[in-house]
Amino acid sequence: KAGVTQTPRYLIKTRGQQVTLSCSPISGHRSVSWYQQTPGQGLQFLFEYFSETQRNKGNFPGRFSGRQFSNSRSEMNVSTLELGDSALYLCASSLPSEIYGYTFGSGTRLTVV
Amino acid sequence: LAKTTQPISMDSYEGQEVNITCSHNNIATNDYITWYQQFPSQGPRFIIQGYKTKVTNEVASLFIPADRKSSTLSLPRVSLSDTAVYYCLVGDGGATNKLIFGTGTLLAVQP
Repeated sequence: KAGVTQTPRYLIKTRGQQVTLSCSPISGHRSVSWYQQTPGQGLQFLFEYFSETQRNKGNFPGRFSGRQFSNSRSEMNVSTLELGDSALYLCASSLPSEIYGYTFGSGTRLTVV
Repeated sequence: LAKTTQPISMDSYEGQEVNITCSHNNIATNDYITWYQQFPSQGPRFIIQGYKTKVTNEVASLFIPADRKSSTLSLPRVSLSDTAVYYCLVGDGGATNKLIFGTGTLLAVQP
């Protein structure tokens, strides 16, 4: 079966711009989570969506937002980009019954210049 | 969520068995133990999950003692392609339903 698909794979943006990243979960998976990975902070949880509702949110500023559509696809948006937002953004999906059995995508590498 | 402690790095040679131990003293009754593997610039990959005693799949074994305050991921006969960061996570998924990653263990396999 197809895995978790994230687009685009690479992105370069300028400070102050905004960006939207997309994630298509595995078919049948209704839970989608987003993570940010940087060399300094490691893997950090951003937020999680289930059935179009945000269930959990990490400790990130309001510039980071997301949404989930009825087909479980999810997008995350970062507004007013800062240099520190440069990171690998990862999306993961799972079945509701799975305990931490997440499948991750390959991520979107965002570079802010 | 229970906090986990792992060695920062480990070295091994091809063909050897590697055991990575994770300490989780505050594990709760409903918590499961899950291990992920991550290669550079890729998302983490689920390796194995267990609750108690021993779990084995096609790539690894997970040993959990009776008190469940630690766990050991065992990789049999490692190869160069097993060089990666390994993360141990503990939790019940439940209401929090988010993964809290520690620093992980960087396993370096040499020829």
